[in-house]
Amino acid sequence: EAQVTQNPRYLITVTGKKLTVTCSQNMNHEYMSWYRQDPGLGLRQIYYSMNVEVTDKGDVPEGYKVSRKEKRNFPLILESPSPNQTSLYFCASSHIIRGDTEAFFGQGTRLTVV
Amino acid sequence: SQQGEEDPQALSIQEGENATMNCSYKTSINNLQWYRQNSGRGLVHLILIRSNEREKHSGRLRVTLDTSKKSSSLLITASRAADTASYFCATPNDYKLSFGAGTTVTVRA
Repeated sequence: EAQVTQNPRYLITVTGKKLTVTCSQNMNHEYMSWYRQDPGLGLRQIYYSMNVEVTDKGDVPEGYKVSRKEKRNFPLILESPSPNQTSLYFCASSHIIRGDTEAFFGQGTRLTVV
Repeated sequence: SQQGEEDPQALSIQEGENATMNCSYKTSINNLQWYRQNSGRGLVHLILIRSNEREKHSGRLRVTLDTSKKSSSLLITASRAADTASYFCATPNDYKLSFGAGTTVTVRA
């Protein structure tokens, strides 16, 4: 089954404690991306990756890091989380973002930073 | 930055009625996509319409696109309780999908 898997689904952490949210896709997609979703603000892109070892900033990259060492994995790293990073996070993948292809989304990670 | 803006923000309808929501966007597009999000869960792709298409159907979904007005509409016919969700239009540009704020649809039994 084609899917994007995020872990964990729910996470409560304290300010400053480094965390990683994992994302894995099984569709051999080149393109992967992280979004955060906040009430009234919709989905905003954090980082994206066009392929292995190719990553770039999205609209709201501050406070986040990513890496793409393997095609299937695209972890999101919060080195020093702060309460304003409390949000619902989604990982997405697709073949190419500009073509007529759909994006597949993970189930989301609800992060609370206290 | 948001590329698409959905209207209305929220919609409540009776089961069996049709639901119509609109999306306006700002820049030229290759295609426009609609996604559904059930409460707190991941987005699911519903339908894609290319810039050279004016209308597209998929099951109970009908999408129109007017590139001259930079707008699209999504019609869900004969709604069911399971259609209760948020619906987003999205346009691919600059290596990302840009989403609107979404329309929340509630289907009452």
